[in-house]
Amino acid sequence: AQKITQTQPGMFVQEKEAVTLDCTYDTSDQSYGLFWYKQPSSGEMIFLIYQGSYDEQNATEGRYSLNFQKARKSANLVISASQLGDSAMYFCAMREADLNTGGFKTIFGAGTRLFVKA
Amino acid sequence: KAGVTQTPRYLIKTRGQQVTLSCSPISGHRSVSWYQQTPGQGLQFLFEYFSETQRNKGNFPGRFSGRQFSNSRSEMNVSTLELGDSALYLCASSLEGQAYTEAFFGQGTRLTVV
Repeated sequence: AQKITQTQPGMFVQEKEAVTLDCTYDTSDQSYGLFWYKQPSSGEMIFLIYQGSYDEQNATEGRYSLNFQKARKSANLVISASQLGDSAMYFCAMREADLNTGGFKTIFGAGTRLFVKA
Repeated sequence: KAGVTQTPRYLIKTRGQQVTLSCSPISGHRSVSWYQQTPGQGLQFLFEYFSETQRNKGNFPGRFSGRQFSNSRSEMNVSTLELGDSALYLCASSLEGQAYTEAFFGQGTRLTVV
């Protein structure tokens, strides 16, 4: 079963406008972490923002905010005032415990490619 | 503070060969995870190591193995390479192996199998 769903393969946004990248997840755990990463064409994964399952307030990091709706199991990324350098692939990820092994596993969505237009 | 370092950055191997990739985590980080990224399958979890112990393994054949040393550096080995093993291999380190910890990635090793 798909655990992390990003329904937007590609998105366009005008420079200086805000954009929302969608992410829904599926888990039966009560404790988990949700992350967003940016991957430019260079290949490096850049950590953007984190939301814990018990956090009541939405996470914010500069121009990035995470719209966390726990009951709907969604964790959308909002980028305000888009910049040309924001053009990249964006991945939503969930980290949860593996009860069988005692370890942890991070699962990634398929990603959304964001294009910022001048 | 130095980031996660992966070596080599690029590698070309022939089918049937084996390869070893290295990952040095951020100083103080004890958890290291490995991922394979391909255009068709996306990012897939390979292993997680914490304090020299493999705590979790993804759904990959036994040709994929890894280990972690006492200094938290990790290596990943792929034996009997196949064309389908061509991918970007990413390593991530985190402070503790808990859910409430962000992971920081290296720049990856791009492996091409010919």
